[in-house]
Amino acid sequence: EAGVVQSPRYKIIEKKQPVAFWCNPISGHNTLYWYRQNLGQGPELLIRYENEEAVDDSQLPKDRFSAERLKGVDSTLKIQPAELGDSAVYLCASSPWGGRNIYNEQFFGPGTRLTVL
Amino acid sequence: DQQVKQNSPSLSVQEGRISILNCDYTNSMFDYFLWYKKYPAEGPTFLISISSIKDKNEDGRFTVFLNKSAKHLSLHIVPSQPGDSAVYFCAASEPGNQFYFGTGTSLTVIP
Repeated sequence: EAGVVQSPRYKIIEKKQPVAFWCNPISGHNTLYWYRQNLGQGPELLIRYENEEAVDDSQLPKDRFSAERLKGVDSTLKIQPAELGDSAVYLCASSPWGGRNIYNEQFFGPGTRLTVL
Repeated sequence: DQQVKQNSPSLSVQEGRISILNCDYTNSMFDYFLWYKKYPAEGPTFLISISSIKDKNEDGRFTVFLNKSAKHLSLHIVPSQPGDSAVYFCAASEPGNQFYFGTGTSLTVIP
């Protein structure tokens, strides 16, 4: 079974430029997560989708970040414009089911390492 | 504010000995805990979990202990192997809520 696929793996851009990351979750997984991991830190949730619905985007900086999950499968995360402080690894994860009182192991992709110059 | 803390950034252990990785949390509502393992240039992979109704969960060489009164959990690896060298993250969650991750502990198992 294929794992979570992310692209690109690495991206270097200049500040104020836009950038987009793509994620293809494991087939059949309803729940999709985008995390940001800064150097020396653990992953921090940006947004969680259950199917097409963003059920938790409270930590997404909405002035410059946007995300979508059309048709409840693939997802894209966009930053426009990028700032120096956005340099981090952006991780996508998926799990079979979300909802209250249901815990599921999250399967992570390899991440996209973003460097903003 | 960091709700899940791993106070040891790194740990070195001889092959065959026990590795003990520690994790503390502040939110008493957390009731489900996981450990993830991460190799360089890869995403974290699930290792073992425990719910708050238990104080121990074992899976082969890996055992997780939960002390709810101390808001502390630990991961024991016995015996440690060189392939266990990785960064280990603990994570905690309330029911139906997001997982909060610690900052990770880098384990090096010396052959």
